[in-house]
Amino acid sequence: DIVLTQSPATLSVTPGDSVSLSCRASQSISNNLHWYQQKSHESPRLLIKYASQSISGIPSRFSGSGSGTDFTLSINSVETEDFGMYFCQQSNSWIFTFGSGTKLEIK
Amino acid sequence: DVQLQESGPGLVKPSQSLSLTCTVTGYSITSDYAWNWIRQFPGNKLEWMGYISYSGSTSYNPSLKSRISITRDTSKNQFFLQLNSVTTEDTATYYCARGATDAYYFDYWGQGTTLTVSS
Repeated sequence: DIVLTQSPATLSVTPGDSVSLSCRASQSISNNLHWYQQKSHESPRLLIKYASQSISGIPSRFSGSGSGTDFTLSINSVETEDFGMYFCQQSNSWIFTFGSGTKLEIK
Repeated sequence: DVQLQESGPGLVKPSQSLSLTCTVTGYSITSDYAWNWIRQFPGNKLEWMGYISYSGSTSYNPSLKSRISITRDTSKNQFFLQLNSVTTEDTATYYCARGATDAYYFDYWGQGTTLTVSS
């Protein structure tokens, strides 16, 4: 199975900061990498597909980049509603796998 | 709007089978997409379990071996998860989700149903 390693595990930030979350794949997955946000007691929400493609209804402060094995989710000027867990997921292999997540918390 | 809603027993005893239902509204499960089950363990780890496609074909995570079955009732626009021989390690929140068949990202999710395996 393809392993996705997310870092850092926890990121403590102040509203207004800009942040980058990392997701690294154990082998090349082209751009078949997707990002989700999960707030406490809610289901995950798709933020970015195909590493960098935006999703309708998602604020423009969220952006993604990368290909191959290294991917980044960037949030430009974090807002209080952005705090929660972020997961990456790959679909290059038919056994779809998720990263372990990055928790974005208020400093 | 597309909506998915899981339902299930909440509590199952070890060695028994669990059965969950996902009811889809706003989109026909026979039109397109793959209809997935994904679970989240305590501690937040997410695991894709399997799907049934709009055509009725299925795909399962090999980690679940022969314990899993996903079926559907097209007349009710529902799909189902059956997991046999459950253990305490199957305690999790279970989500149904719609997956895009071109790249299998999950664009709509249910709210999740919590399942506890305990005697």
